[in-house]
Amino acid sequence: QVQLQESGPGLVKPSETLSLTCTVSGDSMSSHFWGWIRQPPGKGLEWIGQIYYSGSTNYNPYLRSRVSISVDTSKKQFSLKLTSVTAADTAVYYCARRLGAIYFDFWGQGLLVTVSS
Amino acid sequence: QSVLTQPPSVSGAPGQRVTISCTGSSSNIGTGFDVHWYQHLPGTAPRLLIYSNNNRPSGVPDRFSGSKSGTSASLAITGLQAEDEADYYCQSYDNSLSGYVIFGGGTKLTVL
Repeated sequence: QVQLQESGPGLVKPSETLSLTCTVSGDSMSSHFWGWIRQPPGKGLEWIGQIYYSGSTNYNPYLRSRVSISVDTSKKQFSLKLTSVTAADTAVYYCARRLGAIYFDFWGQGLLVTVSS
Repeated sequence: QSVLTQPPSVSGAPGQRVTISCTGSSSNIGTGFDVHWYQHLPGTAPRLLIYSNNNRPSGVPDRFSGSKSGTSASLAITGLQAEDEADYYCQSYDNSLSGYVIFGGGTKLTVL
């Protein structure tokens, strides 16, 4: 069974960089995409971006200027960086495995990140 | 404002059938991109319910079914149970702005 676990700080100051890591178990990471999705309080799901195991990336066009996703297959991890955060970036952040037909079959439990001074 | 439009809420009594609609446009569902559905309980990981319009992953009861036509899709739940009370999201892909994954705004299902 594939399992994903998000980790990182739960509190980030405005204008700083949010950095999260997702650790994968039960899968080699090869031949799959790995994505980040978030859910602001009281709102719906928003796709942030994804990375192929080889390192190629795709980002939400509305966040592209601030987002970076990287992968380390040797550690079975992929990471998210979101720069210049504001209160609007407060959300539960999920990592997930994306299959070829562009859907997400396994998700992490989610990590609440609050942007506040 | 989400690219895919869902009703904010639906409700039904135990045993009844409910449907949740997901309306897109010619740059996403109407172009032929598949629609997928997730069930989400607060504080838990979203669960894949339907993939590629009408396919159920292993372990999902056949009370859940999906369909797609034109620029819209629907999720149907028959034999409603109390445990079905959750938020439901549709998801697809949009080929504008170099392409990106899109979600509906979510629908809260209340079992009366």
